[in-house]
Amino acid sequence: EAGVVQSPRYKIIEKKQPVAFWCNPISGHNTLYWYLQNLGQGPELLIRYENEEAVDDSQLPKDRFSAERLKGVDSTLKIQPAELGDSAVYLCASKPGRVNTGELFFGEGSRLTVL
Amino acid sequence: AQKITQTQPGMFVQEKEAVTLDCTYDTSDPSYGLFWYKQPSSGEMIFLIYQGSYDQQNATEGRYSLNFQKARKSANLVISASQLGDSAMYFCAMREGLSGGYNKLIFGAGTRLAVHP
Repeated sequence: EAGVVQSPRYKIIEKKQPVAFWCNPISGHNTLYWYLQNLGQGPELLIRYENEEAVDDSQLPKDRFSAERLKGVDSTLKIQPAELGDSAVYLCASKPGRVNTGELFFGEGSRLTVL
Repeated sequence: AQKITQTQPGMFVQEKEAVTLDCTYDTSDPSYGLFWYKQPSSGEMIFLIYQGSYDQQNATEGRYSLNFQKARKSANLVISASQLGDSAMYFCAMREGLSGGYNKLIFGAGTRLAVHP
């Protein structure tokens, strides 16, 4: 079974430029998450999807961040315009819809550097 | 509000020895789950072990065991017989039950473990 796939792995941009990250969850996983991980810290939730519906986006800075999960499968996280403080790792995770322990399955992350 | 605290920014251990990574949590929900994840330098979060709030016994997975002390709200990870490949960041996380919709994990700040030969 393929894991959570994220791209790009690394991205370097100048401030004020746009950037987009893509995530393909594990097949059949209804719940998808985007987490932000700053250097030396634990992941913080940005947004959670149940199928195509964003059910928890309270931590998403909506002035510059946007996300979508069309058709309830893969998802895109966009930042426009990027700021220096956005340099971080953006982690995507997914979880099956059936009741389980709540374990999340993570991708390898997209590391963003804003110059 | 729910909170996870990991007070050890870094830990060192000699290869083949055991090490305990501390984690305390705070929640008012009677139903919750506790997780430990490992994050090597490659960046991927790897699930290690899970403990449910109603589980009577401490969870074990191979060399990993979770020392669950409910009254003290602690969920320490014990790694026995440390290996060089255990060097990584370790994160404690919690999922709340009813109030958290069973679907949200919050993470601690992590502990960096270095295993020395």
